[in-house]
Amino acid sequence: NAGVMQNPRHLVRRRGQEARLRCSPMKGHSHVYWYRQLPEEGLKFMVYLQKENIIDESGMPKERFSAEFPKEGPSILRIQQVVRGDSAAYFCASSRGDRGKYGYTFGSGTRLTVV
Amino acid sequence: LAKTTQPISMDSYEGQEVNITCSHNNIATNDYITWYQQFPSQGPRFIIQGYKTKVTNEVASLFIPADRKSSTLSLPRVSLSDTAVYYCLVGNLNDYKLSFGAGTTVTVRA
Repeated sequence: NAGVMQNPRHLVRRRGQEARLRCSPMKGHSHVYWYRQLPEEGLKFMVYLQKENIIDESGMPKERFSAEFPKEGPSILRIQQVVRGDSAAYFCASSRGDRGKYGYTFGSGTRLTVV
Repeated sequence: LAKTTQPISMDSYEGQEVNITCSHNNIATNDYITWYQQFPSQGPRFIIQGYKTKVTNEVASLFIPADRKSSTLSLPRVSLSDTAVYYCLVGNLNDYKLSFGAGTTVTVRA
């Protein structure tokens, strides 16, 4: 009964490169959420997706960031032309359709370091 | 989402009970109180959720007074492995923009 799977766990990118973070939701969950945690801060909402649909991307920077959740395969958070300020832990969570009733299940995160 | 206030840190010893109080004076009628636990290098983990009075599970208890303006997470007989950051969140069950503040860093010592 695997939980939310995120990979890679650690990712190092040079400034200007692209970062791709993957998230496979828990079995039976069709809703995916991405959060970012900067050092010494709490998690901040970025984007909410269902299969093939972006429901709410209000927390995602307008430039360089994009997210998708295709019909097949994991959800992808893409950061183009990374900068030092993108260094953070990125967490993915998933839920069933009745969302908060049973809490959200988070993955272990991807720690992005931009050098 | 209602704003919450909780202590920045708490220290305890193995075997003791740890109580973390969260203030949420502006809680709305439809809001629930949810607590998450986060270990270093891990994502938050759902601990317990409640609306009023008392909720208990195998991990913790949640006490919510009648006015619901605060709540207390109780961790019985903590061990070293309970050292973590604990977050109090308040919102209705359809709120997916979870608001994680700084949380309370609980350190359990031998």
